[in-house]
Amino acid sequence: GIQVEQSPPDLILQEGANSTLRCNFSDSVNNLQWFHQNPWGQLINLFYIPSGTKQNGRLSATTVATERYSLLYISSSQTTDSGVYFCAVRAGGTSYGKLTFGQGTILTVHP
Amino acid sequence: GAVVSQHPSRVICKSGTSVKIECRSLDFQATTMFWYRQFPKKSLMLMATSNEGSKATYEQGVEKDKFLINHASLTLSTLTVTSAHPEDSSFYICSARPGQFNEKLFFGSGTQLSVL
Repeated sequence: GIQVEQSPPDLILQEGANSTLRCNFSDSVNNLQWFHQNPWGQLINLFYIPSGTKQNGRLSATTVATERYSLLYISSSQTTDSGVYFCAVRAGGTSYGKLTFGQGTILTVHP
Repeated sequence: GAVVSQHPSRVICKSGTSVKIECRSLDFQATTMFWYRQFPKKSLMLMATSNEGSKATYEQGVEKDKFLINHASLTLSTLTVTSAHPEDSSFYICSARPGQFNEKLFFGSGTQLSVL
């Protein structure tokens, strides 16, 4: 099956810093989503981005499907950004909605 | 946006008992829902795909007799952990998507199961 690798596994920032999270995947995808899992376990949709670039406030994401990677940018980080960030993909040829998750990046933002 | 409600958020039970977890799509109909399992500080692993009006499809290695899934309506899927044991302790999360060909998934808030 498709492999999804995220880097870095852990990231510690001072409030106000910028960061880039990376997601590499081993095959073509029809769906790529970025999620933030808060300390209570809730997965929050950040971006649905199988290709191209999107921005939402301090967050933006870019997926280069031909090179099989996606990047999540966090600017001017805040303590509330802390949590785990997951990239999840649906490989071509698999059923709608069937996502494979990466291992996540644990982000800690200190005040 | 679409809302998926999951209940209960936390359950503690004795070994050998069964536990039912509910997943509801509040403002859309979902012909398909998905159940995931997450161990501490680990990624989400897909357990099964729940199909309204038909049998669930289980991923390899998931015991269908241990994890019973029922999808009786377009807004409700349930996961029953039967004869629970301590090794079943985990965080269970459901997800759903509005529309048969909609790619975007929405997730419930999860259920932390602790089996004593």
